[in-house]
Amino acid sequence: DTEVTQTPKHLVMGMTNKKSLKCEQHMGHRAMYWYKQKAKKPPELMFVYSYEKLSINESVPSRFSPECPNSSLLNLHLHALQPEDSALYLCASSEGRGPGATDTQYFGPGTRLTVL
Amino acid sequence: AQSVSQHNHHVILSEAASLELGCNYSYGGTVNLFWYVQYPGQHLQLLLKYFSGDPLVKGIKGFEAEFIKSKFSFNLRKPSVQWSDTAEYFCAVNKKNTGFQKLVFGTGTRLLVSP
Repeated sequence: DTEVTQTPKHLVMGMTNKKSLKCEQHMGHRAMYWYKQKAKKPPELMFVYSYEKLSINESVPSRFSPECPNSSLLNLHLHALQPEDSALYLCASSEGRGPGATDTQYFGPGTRLTVL
Repeated sequence: AQSVSQHNHHVILSEAASLELGCNYSYGGTVNLFWYVQYPGQHLQLLLKYFSGDPLVKGIKGFEAEFIKSKFSFNLRKPSVQWSDTAEYFCAVNKKNTGFQKLVFGTGTRLLVSP
């Protein structure tokens, strides 16, 4: 089973709202990722968690706040977003075996976010 | 900075035609290479990957790719496409021996297969 699930599938929010995106995997993977994909563009890495610790933050604005409460769950908390933040937000996971590893990332279906 | 180029942005083929999609990367070190596919309305799925060994790798659905180190290329091929192969194809690269798997994606190639 290589399934990564994400909820909700679609989200519409105003610029003053606070919302959260959720991601879950039950493959025993220890690395989890958030990507942002704008229309007709490739996914761009936002955050990487490894063993529940934030390992990479690709200079993402603080209005995006990731959280990894346990090894199976990854959240992305959203606050005071801008219309240009509208995009497909993808979660991925991999075994996370560390340097030199031959990890493969498996992606969820994404949450399509619209900021009004 | 590491980058990945996919020169064919849009490709239109008839069913049964052969397919080759180009992918070149700029990083000079040792890399892992991937092709992902995104069918309309679906999530990114792994087609195939190369880590080491035989530079010709076979993936799902009849796809294969060849790693040519001297050309920094990892082109995707399929001898005979089907209408169901209509999708967007992304090449992705990450550096070996880095702590965590920072995948860099190419800009994607939209393939339309006409029946």
